[in-house]
Amino acid sequence: GAGVSQSPRYKVAKRGQDVALRCDPISGHVSLFWYQQALGQGPEFLTYFQNEAQLDKSGLPSDRFFAERPEGSVSTLKIQRTQQEDSAVYLCASSLRPSNSPLHFGNGTRLTVT
Amino acid sequence: DQQVKQNSPSLSVQEGRISILNCDYTNSMFDYFLWYKKYPAEGPTFLISISSIKDKNEDGRFTVFLNKSAKHLSLHIVPSQPGDSAVYFCAASASRTSGTYKYIFGTGTRLKVLA
Repeated sequence: GAGVSQSPRYKVAKRGQDVALRCDPISGHVSLFWYQQALGQGPEFLTYFQNEAQLDKSGLPSDRFFAERPEGSVSTLKIQRTQQEDSAVYLCASSLRPSNSPLHFGNGTRLTVT
Repeated sequence: DQQVKQNSPSLSVQEGRISILNCDYTNSMFDYFLWYKKYPAEGPTFLISISSIKDKNEDGRFTVFLNKSAKHLSLHIVPSQPGDSAVYFCAASASRTSGTYKYIFGTGTRLKVLA
């Protein structure tokens, strides 16, 4: 496809369950980002990949959050033992170059933890 | 510490008039700035960007102005159209100067263009 694709669009998890969110970036884009967006807020940085290397994970809120991009293309964000405060929209974005290059976002995954 | 601030949560403008959206930042290392538009249930869509070596960039109805000394940027939309009604985010990065790659976003301004 032409854009960034995320799945699932919506996910409901019971507290304590593990979830996995998938991102298919634009083909050929070197950089991949994960952001978390709470209602009424701007996107908050979680982690950054350059090809398969995770260069920055400073935004991951706890060690329950884990991301990978093993072949430098598709990425998965995993949240273990979900908590209610994890409820948010998780946005994936890719960009052609590591710097001074616009991010192109997917439509996000809305996670609701009950 | 909010490094990128959008102090106006909402703005209403008549169709055909100019919309001016503002953004302030605190980190002098930021060297690349972007504006995004977001409709409900969609991801943010890139509108326009500006590098710190410029003070203005124009693309159709959209112009971004950068005032480095004031650490302020603005997005002008002329003329405003009802389809411009959305939430607008500014974002900044310091990847060339600091080696960090993250883009920091503001909290957004909801623009409503009245027909």
